[in-house]
Formats: sequence, structure tokens, C-alpha cells
Amino acid sequence: AQSVTQPDIHITVSEGASLELRCNYSYGATPYLFWYVQSPGQGLQLLLKYFSGDTLVQGIKGFEAEFKRSQSSFNLRKPSVHWSDAAEYFCAVGAPAGNNRKLIWGLGTSLAVNP
Amino acid sequence: ETGVTQSPTHLIKTRGQQVTLRCSSQSGHNTVSWYQQALGQGPQFIFQYYREEENGRGNFPPRFSGLQFPNYSSELNVNALELDDSALYLCASSLGTVASSSYGYTFGSGTRLTVV
Repeated sequence: AQSVTQPDIHITVSEGASLELRCNYSYGATPYLFWYVQSPGQGLQLLLKYFSGDTLVQGIKGFEAEFKRSQSSFNLRKPSVHWSDAAEYFCAVGAPAGNNRKLIWGLGTSLAVNP
Repeated sequence: ETGVTQSPTHLIKTRGQQVTLRCSSQSGHNTVSWYQQALGQGPQFIFQYYREEENGRGNFPPRFSGLQFPNYSSELNVNALELDDSALYLCASSLGTVASSSYGYTFGSGTRLTVV
């Protein structure tokens, strides 16, 4: 069955500290991979995506993610967290080809940032 | 360039009623997807519309239906509301043919539906 697992429901980090949010997926083939961020009362904003090629992907707001095929993982990282990064983060996967355009989402990781 | 606009932002309905949620796509986008996000959950795919036709549907009953109009705006209709339908409903628009969409989704801020 296709699924996305975000093992950490809630993470708290201090401002300026590094961050890594975990994402593991189960899929028939290597899917397209995404990280989205959702601030309170807001819609979902795309941080970055991986389709193919370089397994280290750069995104907006200083985020990056690394695709590891052997571990079926796509972890999100940021070297220095800012207070404005506090939000809900979702990992999602989508079919790499064909007619299926739906995204399958993890449950999300809630990030709190201490001053 | 405008983004995706959803209306209303909040809505309270009684069990058994019907509701219509609206979505105005980002300019130039011809594909609309609807997602349901229950509290503490990730979004769940309801269905997608491409050029006014349904193109893919998630595991939702027929009382969830939709429309896409020639200007690519869209509606989500839910009949016979149940308490479990309480959720944030997200609309996402994108550009591309069915086979070549690059998942360039732009999400709206959602409609918060509460069923009492």
C-alpha cells in the first residue's frame, strides 16, 4: 500500500539550531517527493520537490532535502532555524507517471521554535 | 498574478444539510484538485478536475461531488453532511495536461467546515 510516514509528530528546537524532519515512504516505484509547509490559517506552500537527478534538493526559505532510495526517505533539513519557521510540515508523494495526479500525504510534523 | 481563492473561509452546517464550497483557480491554471484535511491529519485527495471533467477520485462517497467551470473555477458539493465531514477543505490549482502535469500545485487557504 502507498503511504507516507512522518515519525515525529511534534519537534521543538531553539532558534538558530539545525533542524531535520524525517519522512519515509512506501510506494511501488520511486515517486515524486514533496515537502510542504502550512502556517496557522494558511494553505499549503511548496518548499521543495524531487523528481529525478541530484538527490540533494534545494528549496525556498533555506530548506533542503535529501532523497535516499535505499532508505525510502526524503528528510528535510535546515542549518539554522528562524522563529518564523514554526509551522506544520508535510511530506507528500505522487505518481511519477501516468494519469494519477493525486498526492499522498504524511500526518505532518508540528515544529515549535524557542527564542 | 492572483493565487487560489476559496470561499467561504469558515462555515457551520447541521448534520444532513448540503454545502457548496467554491474555489477560484490561479490565473492560467486549468486543473483543480480538492483535498480534505481533518484536524491533526494530512490532506486526503477527494478528486481532480481537468478541463471541466473529473480526472481521478479518492476514496470518498458519491455524496462528494464537484464541478469545474469554463473559467476553471470549481465547486465542491457535499450532500447529507455527517459529523465526520468536519474538516479543512483545500483547493489546489495547477497547469498542465493530465499526463504532463508537473505537480505545480498552488493551494488556497481552505474552507473550515464544521458540522454540528
